[in-house]
Amino acid sequence: QKEVEQDPGPLSVPEGAIVSLNCTYSNSAFQYFMWYRQYSRKGPELLMYTYSSGNKEDGRFTAQVDKSSKYISLFIRDSQPSDSATYLCAMTLNAGNMLTFGGGTRLMVKP
Amino acid sequence: KAGVTQTPRYLIKTRGQQVTLSCSPISGHRSVSWYQQTPGQGLQFLFEYFSETQRNKGNFPGRFSGRQFSNSRSEMNVSTLELGDSALYLCASSSNGRYSGYTFGSGTRLTVV
Repeated sequence: QKEVEQDPGPLSVPEGAIVSLNCTYSNSAFQYFMWYRQYSRKGPELLMYTYSSGNKEDGRFTAQVDKSSKYISLFIRDSQPSDSATYLCAMTLNAGNMLTFGGGTRLMVKP
Repeated sequence: KAGVTQTPRYLIKTRGQQVTLSCSPISGHRSVSWYQQTPGQGLQFLFEYFSETQRNKGNFPGRFSGRQFSNSRSEMNVSTLELGDSALYLCASSSNGRYSGYTFGSGTRLTVV
């Protein structure tokens, strides 16, 4: 079993829908959590990062962390076709650079 | 400003050969990390260099090695290539070596035949 689990999808939604993406993890020592977006033939792009449990909002994106349940989520409001990409969650034990990634969820937003 | 540049973009090698991949970080960034991305295993951490010193290493065999030069440019080398080494190799740089400051390059797609 992988340390970080993520449903691979694909997840297909109509334009304007609210999207919910999730990851579960097994190592309770993970302290820092991130969401990346990866377009085809590109490297991952950092969307959001957070340390504490709770919600963090940035524009149309909201990241949610529940450390007690070892569960993190990313919500996308008013989804756009340009949001179509693979979304990767990542986490690390300390504030450094050894990230452990989920396998990614492919999202398709249809016009 | 220029992003993280990886060369070459695509590479085809024969099993048993060795390969060297290059990464030029964003100007001023001293930390460079390497990741391997495959459909089966996803993104896996290879190693991190900071100011020419390897600071962290992932769980990969010794065939995978890297180095960083004084200008922060980094190379990774894979010797005795195996079919399973076919992957997208991604480099990421950051100014402070912290999780919040990563910028990834577009990667080198390595195919081993």
